[in-house]
Amino acid sequence: GAVVSQHPSRVICKSGTSVKIECRSLDFQATTMFWYRQFPKQSLMLMATSNEGSKATYEQGVEKDKFLINHASLTLSTLTVTSAHPEDSSFYICSARAGGLDYNEQFFGPGTRLTVL
Amino acid sequence: GQNIDQPTEMTATEGAIVQINCTYQTSGFNGLFWYQQHAGEAPTFLSYNVLDGLEEKGRFSSFLSRSKGYSYLLLKELQMKDSASYLCGFMDSNYQLIWGAGTKLIIKP
Repeated sequence: GAVVSQHPSRVICKSGTSVKIECRSLDFQATTMFWYRQFPKQSLMLMATSNEGSKATYEQGVEKDKFLINHASLTLSTLTVTSAHPEDSSFYICSARAGGLDYNEQFFGPGTRLTVL
Repeated sequence: GQNIDQPTEMTATEGAIVQINCTYQTSGFNGLFWYQQHAGEAPTFLSYNVLDGLEEKGRFSSFLSRSKGYSYLLLKELQMKDSASYLCGFMDSNYQLIWGAGTKLIIKP
């Protein structure tokens, strides 16, 4: 099956610093990648959708200048949390969808747990 | 508008059968997904239904009725490792997944 990796799996940083999270599709080309955030005991919340080579589409309430998303290739998308604050501490999960509208399954990465001190 | 609903928590006994229901409302529909999520881990894919009916995969089965906006996930021969949250989500007309809040399933010996 399709595999999606994320790096790092865990990161602890100081308030005010920036953190970059990578999401890679290892054995397929992901035309669309999704970034989710999940707070403890809450549902997944879609932050943004990115299509390769174009700007990401952010969900309402998600600051695009704070959460920078780059989808430069068909196998890599990055999420950069700029000037992180303790309230940004969360579980960040990416998912990837292969090309072709008749194939809808999303493959999830293992997630990145961010703790901002 | 769009919405999706599933029970918050369910409890079942090891070896038994449990059915987790999910209801949804949407104008555009491109399939319904069930994912399993253990605490602290990312979701893993269980099933995808786009046509009405029952899809069986081992101990897990998923049912869809598009006219009723209804789906269920059926888990048989429950094992302790099945204790997890089960997420129901539908794909809308823009091919984005809209998630339910998840059902926490507690399995007791």
